[in-house]
Formats: sequence, C-alpha cells, structure tokens
Amino acid sequence: SQQGEEDPQALSIQEGENATMNCSYKTSINNLQWYRQNSGRGLVHLILIRSNEREKHSGRLRVTLDTSKKSSSLLITASRAADTASYFCATAYTLFNKFYFGSGTKLNVKP
Amino acid sequence: DGGITQSPKYLFRKEGQNVTLSCEQNLNHDAMYWYRQDPGQGLRLIYYSQIVNDFQKGDIAEGYSVSREKKESFPLTVTSAQKNPTAFYLCATGSGQGGQPQHFGDGTRLSIL
Repeated sequence: SQQGEEDPQALSIQEGENATMNCSYKTSINNLQWYRQNSGRGLVHLILIRSNEREKHSGRLRVTLDTSKKSSSLLITASRAADTASYFCATAYTLFNKFYFGSGTKLNVKP
Repeated sequence: DGGITQSPKYLFRKEGQNVTLSCEQNLNHDAMYWYRQDPGQGLRLIYYSQIVNDFQKGDIAEGYSVSREKKESFPLTVTSAQKNPTAFYLCATGSGQGGQPQHFGDGTRLSIL
C-alpha cells in the first residue's frame, strides 16, 4: 500500500501542551499534506510541504519532512480544546494526481 | 459562497437497492474525487475524474459507479453489488495539478436498513 501511516493512533493532552504526530510513507512523493477532520465533517487542508523542503510553519503548526526516512511530523504548539480533531497525512503523487491518506491520529485536548 | 455541497447528509439503503450520492462544486475545479471512510480509518479512493466525461477507478471501485457530465457535478452510485456499503462518503475537488490540496464536502453517511 502507498498509504501513509500515522503514529500515535490516539493522543490525549492538556490544553497548553504541545502535540506531536508522525507520518511514515513507503514510496517517493511529490509532496506531503496534513489535513484535519472534526467529528462527522469533511477534511480541511492545513499545510503542504514539498519533497525538497525540510520544514514549514503556519501559525501554531510546524511540519517537518525527512525524505531519507520517508517520514513527516506535525507539531501543534500551545494546543487548545478547539484543536480536538483527527489529523491525517496525505501523500501526493503527481504522476497519478492521486492522494493516499493515512489512518489518522485522533487528538483530544482537555481544557 | 464557494464550496462543495454533498447531499443528502444521511442516507439509508435497502437490500438490493441502488442509491446515488450527490456532489456539486462551484470552485471551478477540474478534478473531483470520491472517498470512502470507515470508522476510525483513513480515506480510500473510490473513483476520480480529472476532466468532464472522463473518470478513473480508484483503489476500491467495485460496487460503485460514477458519471461526470458537467464540470460542477460528480454523482456516485452505490450499487447493490456493494455488499458492505455502510460508511462515510466524502467528495473532494482539486485543481488537478501537481498534487495541490484537495477541498472536501461535509460527507454523506450511508447506512443499511
């Protein structure tokens, strides 16, 4: 399977703490993206990192990409209860213009 | 207001029945996608279309059919051949270029009666 795999599957933290989730994939990619899904809703795009980039920031989000290890991490700093959601990584393959989504990390931020 | 509209939000299917899920977009995106999501799992690609009147099978196309007669619309039919249709179905759109981000509707939850 070309799907990414997130780790951990579930994460529970207190408000104000940082949350880190990881994604591993199997084949070379064009880019990797992180999405967020609130319960019962569609996915919302958070951030995209290209294969030639190593780190990217967007507000409280920091994404890293290590193509030699075929892995990425998403760090959410100073978490809030509103960050409670599932987070998915998606690997993009330009040749097929398709995306492969991992199984997600379910984040619970306790107030 | 730009976006993707999926309807209905909830749908129930009887044994042997075909049902059609609607997906409409006004983002002027060329590419449209259908995904299936099972509880606690990621998304699996059913079908995708990069241009009007053309579509390709994804990883789990068996038991499903689609059409793309208009740029704005990409309906998904869940046929009676799909023996385990209970899932959350998500429609997405994208520019269709270079792995650009996808935009998602709010899904249709399909259950068996």
